[in-house]
Amino acid sequence: DGGITQSPKYLFRKEGQNVTLSCEQNLNHDAMYWYRQDPGQGLRLIYYSQIVNDFQKGDIAEGYSVSREKKESFPLTVTSAQKNPTAFYLCASSIDRSSYEQYFGPGTRLTVT
Amino acid sequence: EDKVVQSPLSLVVHEGDTVTLNCSYEVTNFRSLLWYKQEKKAPTFLFMLTSSGIEKKSGRLSSILDKKELFSILNITATQTGDSAVYLCAVVSPNAGKSTFGDGTTLTVKP
Repeated sequence: DGGITQSPKYLFRKEGQNVTLSCEQNLNHDAMYWYRQDPGQGLRLIYYSQIVNDFQKGDIAEGYSVSREKKESFPLTVTSAQKNPTAFYLCASSIDRSSYEQYFGPGTRLTVT
Repeated sequence: EDKVVQSPLSLVVHEGDTVTLNCSYEVTNFRSLLWYKQEKKAPTFLFMLTSSGIEKKSGRLSSILDKKELFSILNITATQTGDSAVYLCAVVSPNAGKSTFGDGTTLTVKP
């Protein structure tokens, strides 16, 4: 059963703590993406990776970091430098950099208090 | 900076009504426009539009792109309660397949 998994579904953290969100895909896709969604808004791109060991900043990368050590995995760390981290985080993948259709994971809702 | 604007932001209709959702864009380099449906969680892909004037159709949903006027519309005929969702429009730039999303239109279909 191919797809994208994100864990956990809900995450609660205290302010000042770093937290890592997991994203795994078994679709053999080269490209992976992280988006943030706030209530009533669309998706904003945080980071994306077109190939293993390479990634680029999106539109709102400040306060976030990523790694792409394996093709299947693209974890996102929300650092304490992110001023407003409470949001819904979506991970997506596509076959490669020229493929426009992205497949999304179920998302992680992060609440920081 | 690439920009995608969707309208209306929200819409409430009754079952059986026809709705039209709008998406206008300003991008430096346009490659294609995508429509997604988001019900609670992950967006699911609906259509990809690359050429002007060619209607894409899937059941009661259809969409068309106007590259001269820089907009697209998504039509849903004979709406059902299951059509209630957020509909997202995204424009893809050719640079690394990066997508810019609009804020979405929240459609509520009442019985």
